[in-house]
Amino acid sequence: NAGVTQTPKFRILKIGQSMTLQCAQDMNHNYMYWYRQDPGMGLKLIYYSVGAGITDKGEVPNGYNVSRSTTEDFPLRLELAAPSQTSVYFCASSYSADIGNTIYFGEGSWLTVV
Amino acid sequence: GQQVMQIPQYQHVQEGEDFTTYCNSSTTLSNIQWYKQRPGGHPVFLIQLVKSGEVKKQKRLTFQFGEAKKNSSLHITATQTTDVGTYFCAGGGRNSGGGADGLTFGKGTHLIIQP
Repeated sequence: NAGVTQTPKFRILKIGQSMTLQCAQDMNHNYMYWYRQDPGMGLKLIYYSVGAGITDKGEVPNGYNVSRSTTEDFPLRLELAAPSQTSVYFCASSYSADIGNTIYFGEGSWLTVV
Repeated sequence: GQQVMQIPQYQHVQEGEDFTTYCNSSTTLSNIQWYKQRPGGHPVFLIQLVKSGEVKKQKRLTFQFGEAKKNSSLHITATQTTDVGTYFCAGGGRNSGGGADGLTFGKGTHLIIQP
């Protein structure tokens, strides 16, 4: 059981470049999320999805886009990368939003924009 | 908007000493979750508290949810080197479903253990 899988684990981007962080889960979870974690800081929600075809903005969506064409996959796209987007990105999933639900995190993607 | 404050930001302890981290919300919470993140790792769910005044234990870890559901604490008894990491609280807003879309994370407490 792989859980939540993120790729790539590390990436260096030049300012203005674009890239997609891939996320897949094999737990048949309805909810999926993208967080970013800046050094020494907590987690900030970028986007989330409550099911295939449905996405919503979180706390810090600017500069990012997402899609949810299948239950399993939830890619995060960075357009025109900026140094402020240097961060660790975590994809996560949960079965539902009900109280008591465990959120499972991927191992993270370390992104540096230079 | 809802704010979740966590203190202290860093805590150095000698191995065997106790450790406590505190979480305070600006608003009443529907629930609070605790996560542990090892250095270089990803957050791992520890526990969720839902009821006012609730206390839960996991071996050497004791979690409390305040009577007013605006604060919480995590206490570790007799710390071990395996306890090293950052402990995050995450509060669910009262009017949210309590799921992650309604969660606000604290900045975490970094626990450093000196042998």
